[in-house]
Amino acid sequence: DTGVSQNPRHKITKRGQNVTFRCDPISEHNRLYWYRQTLGQGPEFLTYFQNEAQLEKSRLLSDRFSAERPKGSFSTLEIQRTEQGDSAMYLCASTPFSGTDTQYFGPGTRLTVL
Amino acid sequence: RKEVEQDPGPFNVPEGATVAFNCTYSNSASQSFFWYRQDCRKEPKLLMSVYSSGNEDGRFTAQLNRASQYISLLIRDSKLSDSATYLCVVNFITGNQFYFGTGTSLTVIP
Repeated sequence: DTGVSQNPRHKITKRGQNVTFRCDPISEHNRLYWYRQTLGQGPEFLTYFQNEAQLEKSRLLSDRFSAERPKGSFSTLEIQRTEQGDSAMYLCASTPFSGTDTQYFGPGTRLTVL
Repeated sequence: RKEVEQDPGPFNVPEGATVAFNCTYSNSASQSFFWYRQDCRKEPKLLMSVYSSGNEDGRFTAQLNRASQYISLLIRDSKLSDSATYLCVVNFITGNQFYFGTGTSLTVIP
């Protein structure tokens, strides 16, 4: 399968714990995006990378959220001191090159914070 | 005002019906426009890009009206398999963020 993959698919954690998600984009896609989606809403932009450089972050992204893409391939999204409001689907998407290109989404990681 | 606004529906239509969705966007400098489809508990998938001249793909037709800042999606001869949420997506020229609408829910009824 050469699509975008995300791990884990589901994560249940207790409030206050740290969690880390991984995204493996389509090979040779140099742009990678992270989104958060809650029930009844569309995906909400969090941040994006071009290769290993994090070029943009949403104003809504609190200091508890951090993302990396150290070698320009896979990316990780870490949430520290999780809160119940962090419960959502976290989606990763990649595009070949331009910001105007089609985005290919992974299956998402569903986070539940108890 | 949200960057992209859609009527969330739900739209419940009989098989064979024609249904249209509209979406408005706030930034007149928007560069690219898309319709994505999202099935329940699945990831969004591209349905079609929207071009200034309008474009058609089988039963689906997308239109862009830059003057009024809206895009539309028309589905003809609805099938049961068209039941999904349709997301309007806009990419702004000033950045590289993709802005998604809340989605419009469609259910096609036998």
